[in-house]
Amino acid sequence: DADVTQTPRNRITKTGKRIMLECSQTKGHDRMYWYRQDPGLGLQLIYYSFDVKDINKGEISDGYSVSRQAQAKFSLSLESAIPNQTALYFCATSDFKGNTFFGPGTRLTVL
Amino acid sequence: TQLLEQSPQFLSIQEGENLTVYCNSSSVFSSLQWYRQEPGEGPVLLVTVVTGGEVKKLKRLTFQFGDARKDSSLHITAAQTGDTGLYLCAGKGPANAGGTSYGKLTFGQGTILTVHP
Repeated sequence: DADVTQTPRNRITKTGKRIMLECSQTKGHDRMYWYRQDPGLGLQLIYYSFDVKDINKGEISDGYSVSRQAQAKFSLSLESAIPNQTALYFCATSDFKGNTFFGPGTRLTVL
Repeated sequence: TQLLEQSPQFLSIQEGENLTVYCNSSSVFSSLQWYRQEPGEGPVLLVTVVTGGEVKKLKRLTFQFGDARKDSSLHITAAQTGDTGLYLCAGKGPANAGGTSYGKLTFGQGTILTVHP
C-alpha cells in the first residue's frame, strides 16, 4: 500500500464550488504539506503543518484553507474555486531530516 | 524568500550521452534534495546532500553539493530511455528554528529530460 494517499485523483468542478482534497499517510511523520504544481513553475508550497496543532501558510495560501484532523490526515479546501486554481496538487510528508515523500497527486480542473 | 534556479529547463538527448542539470541559488541551504517525477505520479526522492562539497553517486547518477551550499548539480552518465522524466531540485531552509524558512523546501522549476533511443 502507498505511504501517502490522496483522494480524489482527478476532479473537474465549476467556478465558485467548494472543493476538498484529502490526504492520508502511514509513515508516522508529524510534518505534512500541500503543494501545487504548474508547468514551468516547479512545486509551490500552499500550507504546511509540523504537528496536529500547528498550521502555517506557505507561499501561495490565498484562496485555500487546510485542516489537520489527525497526525495521519491533512485536507486542503478551495472555498470558492476559480479557473486559475486548475493545477496538480500534491500532499507530502517529511521525516525529521527533511526527506520528503509525496502522494500521487490530484489533478484539479476548474471550469 | 529563497529561490532556486534550475537549468536547463528542457533537455533532449540520445541514449548513451552524458548530461548535467544545474541548480543555483544566492541562498545557503542546510541540505539539498533531488527528485525525479514521472507523468501522473508524485516526485520521488533520489538523494539528499548535506555537506558542502559532498558528492554522492547512485549508479549512473552523480550528485554534487557546492562548497558554499548554494548550488548543486546532477550528472547522468550514459543516459538511458528509462531516465526520461522531470528532475527537481529542492533546498531545505536553514536549521535555525523559528526562521521563516525553517524546515521547508524550496523547489526549482524542474528540468524535463527526454532520452531518445
